[in-house]
Amino acid sequence: GESVGLHLPTLSVQEGDNSIINCAYSNSASDYFIWYKQESGKGPQFIIDIRSNMDKRQGQRVTVLLNKTVKHLSLQIAATQPGDSAVYFCAEISDSSYKLIFGSGTRLLVRP
Amino acid sequence: DSGVTQTPKHLITATGQRVTLRCSPRSGDLSVYWYQQSLDQGLQFLIQYYNGEERAKGNILERFSAQQFPDLHSELNLSSLELGDSALYFCASSRTDGFFGPLHFGNGTRLTVT
Repeated sequence: GESVGLHLPTLSVQEGDNSIINCAYSNSASDYFIWYKQESGKGPQFIIDIRSNMDKRQGQRVTVLLNKTVKHLSLQIAATQPGDSAVYFCAEISDSSYKLIFGSGTRLLVRP
Repeated sequence: DSGVTQTPKHLITATGQRVTLRCSPRSGDLSVYWYQQSLDQGLQFLIQYYNGEERAKGNILERFSAQQFPDLHSELNLSSLELGDSALYFCASSRTDGFFGPLHFGNGTRLTVT
């Protein structure tokens, strides 16, 4: 199938620390990448996106890094807060497929 | 609030039945996408419509069908339901065909097949 089984890795961080969530994507032709946050009982919420002609993009408290050589994407969250606790998904799309394909997700737990 | 509205929020039905899930995209968005999220799977792409026409298809079963109406709302029809169809079904929308901007998701319909 086009999705990976949901054996969620978990990242546990102390409130106030920085978090780094990693994602390996599958398609070297992918042009556009998105990070989503999903809280329990809710739909995925857009966090930040990046195009393949960039290697870094910053938002408010979040930074996305793209390494096309090794097909790796990361999401850095600065000064992690309890409200950041959620499952984080990376997603990729290529201009030839029109399909946004999600990775398997990482659960972020923030310890008070 | 993403602006994408899905109804109903919860649906409980029996095997063999047929249900319809409804989605209203954000104002101005032309594309609608349907995703399935099961406990043992991630978000699985089902199908995309753009301005009323089917644009891309994922792993959508033949028992499932969708359409997008002239007012741009979409419906996902699930028939001959099986226990394994129990899942969260998400609708998402985007301004264009998805490549030039992020998808915005609704809060889903939780389908339970008993």
